[in-house]
Amino acid sequence: SQQGEEDPQALSIQEGENATMNCSYKTSINNLQWYRQNSGRGLVHLILIRSNEREKHSGRLRVTLDTSKKSSSLLITASRAADTASYFCATDRSGGSYIPTFGRGTSLIVHP
Amino acid sequence: EAEVAQSPRYKITEKSQAVAFWCDPISGHATLYWYRQILGQGPELLVQFQDESVVDDSQLPKDRFSAERLKGVDSTLKIQPAELGDSAMYLCASRGSQETQYFGPGTRLLVL
Repeated sequence: SQQGEEDPQALSIQEGENATMNCSYKTSINNLQWYRQNSGRGLVHLILIRSNEREKHSGRLRVTLDTSKKSSSLLITASRAADTASYFCATDRSGGSYIPTFGRGTSLIVHP
Repeated sequence: EAEVAQSPRYKITEKSQAVAFWCDPISGHATLYWYRQILGQGPELLVQFQDESVVDDSQLPKDRFSAERLKGVDSTLKIQPAELGDSAMYLCASRGSQETQYFGPGTRLLVL
């Protein structure tokens, strides 16, 4: 079963616009990570946010975490065509060994 | 920069045949994961190793799938016999002391 669920499933925007995707999860977590996957390739780690953090930035990426709502959001500012990819959240459930669980992903298309 | 290596990149086989995938993690990474990713979905954990020991294989279809990491370094995932529903991307990832997973490029399997 998949712990995290991303929303929307698909997002289509123009270059320069911001892209926001959300992740909801079900159980308590130690941390939440966002990954990017280009078509037919492996996943690339983007950013990790711990359960005691509320917001993190990395370049054009901004991630928020609301543990009371069991949700996270990933914002990509000033999107580029090269940002076209699928984005996944992965949660690490608290209380056990590190076994990450991925959602179904958001497919982002950025039109030049 | 160190990378996770996987081979082959593509594999086409007929149902009932045996297939094997190989993964070489980043040097020094004790934790190794095998995931299966069906098109349009997120990665699903099949098996997790800590050194040569299996940490979690609860989602591994043990009647046909097997995985080993005999010396705690590289790993092999085998399917015997392959079924049509096994067509997917098989991803290997490794992790060191931090929570971040590093993914290989994957092996795309097509079962005819």
